Amino acid sequence: DQQVKQNSPSLSVQEGRISILNCDYTNSMFDYFLWYKKYPAEGPTFLISISSIKDKNEDGRFTVFLNKSAKHLSLHIVPSQPGDSAVYFCAASDSQGAQKLVFGQGTRLTINP
Amino acid sequence: KAGVTQTPRYLIKTRGQQVTLSCSPISGHRSVSWYQQTPGQGLQFLFEYFSETQRNKGNFPGRFSGRQFSNSRSEMNVSTLELGDSALYLCASSLVLPPGEQYFGPGTRLTVT
Repeated sequence: DQQVKQNSPSLSVQEGRISILNCDYTNSMFDYFLWYKKYPAEGPTFLISISSIKDKNEDGRFTVFLNKSAKHLSLHIVPSQPGDSAVYFCAASDSQGAQKLVFGQGTRLTINP
Repeated sequence: KAGVTQTPRYLIKTRGQQVTLSCSPISGHRSVSWYQQTPGQGLQFLFEYFSETQRNKGNFPGRFSGRQFSNSRSEMNVSTLELGDSALYLCASSLVLPPGEQYFGPGTRLTVT
Protein backbone atom coordinates (compact mmCIF):
# COMPACT_ATOMS: atom_id res chain seq x y z
CA ASP A 1 0.00 0.00 0.00
CA GLN A 2 1.40 3.33 -1.03
CA GLN A 3 0.92 5.71 1.88
CA VAL A 4 2.36 8.71 0.03
CA LYS A 5 1.39 9.24 -3.59
CA GLN A 6 2.56 11.61 -6.26
CA ASN A 7 0.19 10.99 -9.13
CA SER A 8 2.03 13.03 -11.74
CA PRO A 9 5.23 11.32 -12.89
CA SER A 10 6.24 14.42 -14.83
CA LEU A 11 5.48 18.11 -15.17
CA SER A 12 6.69 20.65 -17.71
CA VAL A 13 6.57 24.38 -16.93
CA GLN A 14 7.71 27.53 -18.70
CA GLU A 15 10.55 29.46 -17.08
CA GLY A 16 9.22 32.28 -14.91
CA ARG A 17 5.83 30.62 -14.37
CA ILE A 18 4.58 28.83 -11.27
CA SER A 19 5.30 25.13 -10.79
CA ILE A 20 2.82 23.23 -8.62
CA LEU A 21 3.69 19.72 -7.47
CA ASN A 22 1.08 17.67 -5.66
CA CYS A 23 1.18 14.90 -3.10
CA ASP A 24 -1.51 12.86 -1.32
CA TYR A 25 -1.17 10.69 1.75
CA THR A 26 -3.37 8.11 3.42
CA ASN A 27 -1.88 7.66 6.90
CA SER A 28 -3.49 10.07 9.34
CA MET A 29 -0.62 9.48 11.80
CA PHE A 30 1.73 11.46 9.60
CA ASP A 31 2.42 14.81 11.23
CA TYR A 32 5.47 16.12 9.40
CA PHE A 33 5.85 16.53 5.68
CA LEU A 34 8.86 17.33 3.56
CA TRP A 35 9.89 17.96 -0.01
CA TYR A 36 13.20 16.81 -1.43
CA LYS A 37 14.78 17.56 -4.78
CA LYS A 38 17.01 15.08 -6.57
CA TYR A 39 19.42 15.62 -9.45
CA PRO A 40 20.85 12.64 -11.38
CA ALA A 41 23.78 10.91 -9.67
CA GLU A 42 23.17 12.80 -6.42
CA GLY A 43 21.28 12.02 -3.25
CA PRO A 44 18.03 13.88 -2.49
CA THR A 45 18.40 17.39 -1.10
CA PHE A 46 16.03 18.71 1.56
CA LEU A 47 13.96 21.65 0.29
CA ILE A 48 11.22 22.58 2.70
CA SER A 49 9.05 21.03 5.38
CA ILE A 50 5.78 21.63 7.19
CA SER A 51 4.37 20.45 10.47
CA SER A 52 0.77 19.30 10.68
CA ILE A 53 -0.04 22.21 13.00
CA LYS A 54 0.50 24.60 10.10
CA ASP A 55 -1.16 24.92 6.73
CA LYS A 56 1.54 26.89 4.95
CA ASN A 57 5.29 27.31 5.08
CA GLU A 58 7.31 29.61 2.86
CA ASP A 59 11.02 29.75 2.08
CA GLY A 60 12.03 32.09 -0.70
CA ARG A 61 10.59 30.87 -3.99
CA PHE A 62 9.25 27.69 -2.36
CA THR A 63 5.94 27.40 -0.51
CA VAL A 64 4.38 24.24 0.82
CA PHE A 65 0.65 24.05 1.52
CA LEU A 66 -0.95 21.39 3.68
CA ASN A 67 -4.65 20.47 3.62
CA LYS A 68 -5.08 17.97 6.44
CA SER A 69 -8.77 17.28 5.83
CA ALA A 70 -7.98 16.31 2.23
CA LYS A 71 -4.69 14.64 3.19
CA HIS A 72 -3.05 16.66 0.46
CA LEU A 73 0.02 18.82 0.20
CA SER A 74 1.50 20.82 -2.60
CA LEU A 75 4.76 22.56 -3.39
CA HIS A 76 4.67 25.86 -5.25
CA ILE A 77 7.79 27.22 -6.94
CA VAL A 78 7.55 30.84 -8.07
CA PRO A 79 9.13 31.88 -10.34
CA SER A 80 10.39 28.64 -11.86
CA GLN A 81 13.99 28.63 -13.02
CA PRO A 82 15.90 26.21 -15.28
CA GLY A 83 17.94 25.01 -12.28
CA ASP A 84 14.71 23.77 -10.71
CA SER A 85 14.57 20.95 -13.27
CA ALA A 86 14.92 17.81 -11.14
CA VAL A 87 12.88 15.02 -9.60
CA TYR A 88 10.87 16.17 -6.58
CA PHE A 89 9.92 13.77 -3.81
CA CYS A 90 7.26 14.29 -1.22
CA ALA A 91 7.92 12.54 2.11
CA ALA A 92 6.11 12.09 5.40
CA SER A 93 6.92 10.98 8.91
CA ASP A 94 5.11 10.50 12.19
CA SER A 95 6.39 11.45 15.64
CA GLN A 96 6.79 7.79 16.59
CA GLY A 97 9.31 7.10 13.85
CA ALA A 98 10.53 10.62 13.33
CA GLN A 99 13.44 9.85 11.04
CA LYS A 100 11.60 7.09 9.17
CA LEU A 101 10.52 8.82 6.01
CA VAL A 102 7.88 7.46 3.67
CA PHE A 103 8.47 8.79 0.17
CA GLY A 104 6.24 9.28 -2.82
CA GLN A 105 7.34 8.01 -6.22
CA GLY A 106 8.57 11.42 -7.35
CA THR A 107 7.62 13.94 -10.03
CA ARG A 108 10.11 14.92 -12.72
CA LEU A 109 9.89 18.70 -13.19
CA THR A 110 11.23 20.20 -16.40
CA ILE A 111 11.53 23.96 -16.72
CA ASN A 112 11.53 25.10 -20.32
CA PRO A 113 13.33 28.33 -21.30
CA LYS B 1 31.07 21.27 6.77
CA ALA B 2 31.67 18.08 4.82
CA GLY B 3 28.58 16.30 3.58
CA VAL B 4 27.55 12.68 3.96
CA THR B 5 30.00 10.35 2.27
CA GLN B 6 29.32 6.83 1.10
CA THR B 7 31.76 4.17 -0.05
CA PRO B 8 32.03 2.55 -2.42
CA ARG B 9 30.09 4.49 -5.03
CA TYR B 10 29.65 1.52 -7.34
CA LEU B 11 29.70 -2.19 -6.68
CA ILE B 12 29.07 -5.31 -8.72
CA LYS B 13 28.40 -8.55 -6.89
CA THR B 14 27.23 -12.02 -7.78
CA ARG B 15 24.04 -13.66 -6.51
CA GLY B 16 24.62 -15.37 -3.18
CA GLN B 17 27.50 -13.14 -2.11
CA GLN B 18 27.33 -10.61 0.68
CA VAL B 19 28.15 -6.91 0.63
CA THR B 20 28.97 -4.18 3.14
CA LEU B 21 28.33 -0.51 2.43
CA SER B 22 29.74 2.33 4.48
CA CYS B 23 28.42 5.76 5.41
CA SER B 24 30.08 8.68 7.20
CA PRO B 25 27.54 11.22 8.46
CA ILE B 26 27.87 14.96 8.74
CA SER B 27 29.90 15.89 11.81
CA GLY B 28 27.61 16.26 14.81
CA HIS B 29 24.78 14.21 13.32
CA ARG B 30 24.01 11.20 15.48
CA SER B 31 21.15 9.71 13.47
CA VAL B 32 21.91 7.71 10.34
CA SER B 33 19.21 6.24 8.12
CA TRP B 34 19.46 3.95 5.11
CA TYR B 35 17.18 3.82 2.10
CA GLN B 36 16.91 1.64 -0.98
CA GLN B 37 15.93 3.25 -4.28
CA THR B 38 14.70 1.13 -7.17
CA PRO B 39 12.76 2.14 -10.30
CA GLY B 40 9.79 -0.01 -9.30
CA GLN B 41 9.51 0.67 -5.56
CA GLY B 42 10.98 4.15 -5.31
CA LEU B 43 12.74 5.22 -2.12
CA GLN B 44 12.13 2.80 0.73
CA PHE B 45 13.29 3.11 4.31
CA LEU B 46 15.57 0.32 5.51
CA PHE B 47 16.55 1.30 9.07
CA GLU B 48 17.74 4.11 11.29
CA TYR B 49 20.50 4.10 13.85
CA PHE B 50 20.97 6.52 16.70
CA SER B 51 23.70 6.28 19.32
CA GLU B 52 24.69 2.83 18.05
CA THR B 53 21.14 1.48 18.47
CA GLN B 54 18.65 0.60 15.77
CA ARG B 55 15.72 2.91 16.43
CA ASN B 56 13.48 2.26 13.43
CA LYS B 57 13.21 -0.53 10.90
CA GLY B 58 11.49 -0.82 7.52
CA ASN B 59 9.89 -3.87 5.92
CA PHE B 60 12.96 -5.63 4.61
CA PRO B 61 14.04 -9.24 5.19
CA GLY B 62 16.62 -10.12 7.80
CA ARG B 63 19.29 -10.37 5.10
CA PHE B 64 19.52 -6.61 5.43
CA SER B 65 21.29 -5.49 8.57
CA GLY B 66 23.26 -2.55 9.80
CA ARG B 67 25.22 -1.12 12.62
CA GLN B 68 26.51 2.19 13.89
CA PHE B 69 29.81 2.89 15.54
CA SER B 70 30.60 5.23 18.42
CA ASN B 71 31.74 7.93 15.96
CA SER B 72 28.29 7.73 14.29
CA ARG B 73 29.68 6.11 11.14
CA SER B 74 27.38 3.37 9.90
CA GLU B 75 27.56 0.26 7.79
CA MET B 76 24.86 -1.80 6.19
CA ASN B 77 25.25 -5.39 5.17
CA VAL B 78 23.25 -7.49 2.74
CA SER B 79 23.82 -11.22 2.86
CA THR B 80 22.91 -13.86 0.27
CA LEU B 81 22.42 -11.28 -2.46
CA GLU B 82 19.50 -11.64 -4.86
CA LEU B 83 19.06 -10.06 -8.29
CA GLY B 84 16.30 -7.89 -6.83
CA ASP B 85 18.77 -6.28 -4.44
CA SER B 86 20.22 -4.31 -7.33
CA ALA B 87 19.50 -0.73 -6.36
CA LEU B 88 20.87 2.61 -5.27
CA TYR B 89 21.48 2.53 -1.52
CA LEU B 90 21.29 5.92 0.10
CA CYS B 91 22.50 6.92 3.52
CA ALA B 92 21.19 10.02 5.27
CA SER B 93 22.24 11.71 8.47
CA SER B 94 20.32 14.10 10.66
CA LEU B 95 20.11 15.85 13.96
CA VAL B 96 17.48 14.58 16.37
CA LEU B 97 15.16 17.44 15.52
CA PRO B 98 13.45 18.58 13.42
CA PRO B 99 12.01 15.24 12.38
CA GLY B 100 12.74 14.00 8.91
CA GLU B 101 15.16 16.70 7.78
CA GLN B 102 17.84 14.43 6.51
CA TYR B 103 21.00 15.05 4.52
CA PHE B 104 21.67 12.39 1.93
CA GLY B 105 24.88 11.05 0.54
CA PRO B 106 25.33 10.35 -3.17
CA GLY B 107 24.51 6.68 -2.73
CA THR B 108 26.13 3.35 -3.56
CA ARG B 109 24.95 1.77 -6.81
CA LEU B 110 24.85 -1.99 -6.24
CA THR B 111 24.44 -4.32 -9.19
CA VAL B 112 23.84 -8.01 -8.54
CA THR B 113 24.49 -10.37 -11.46
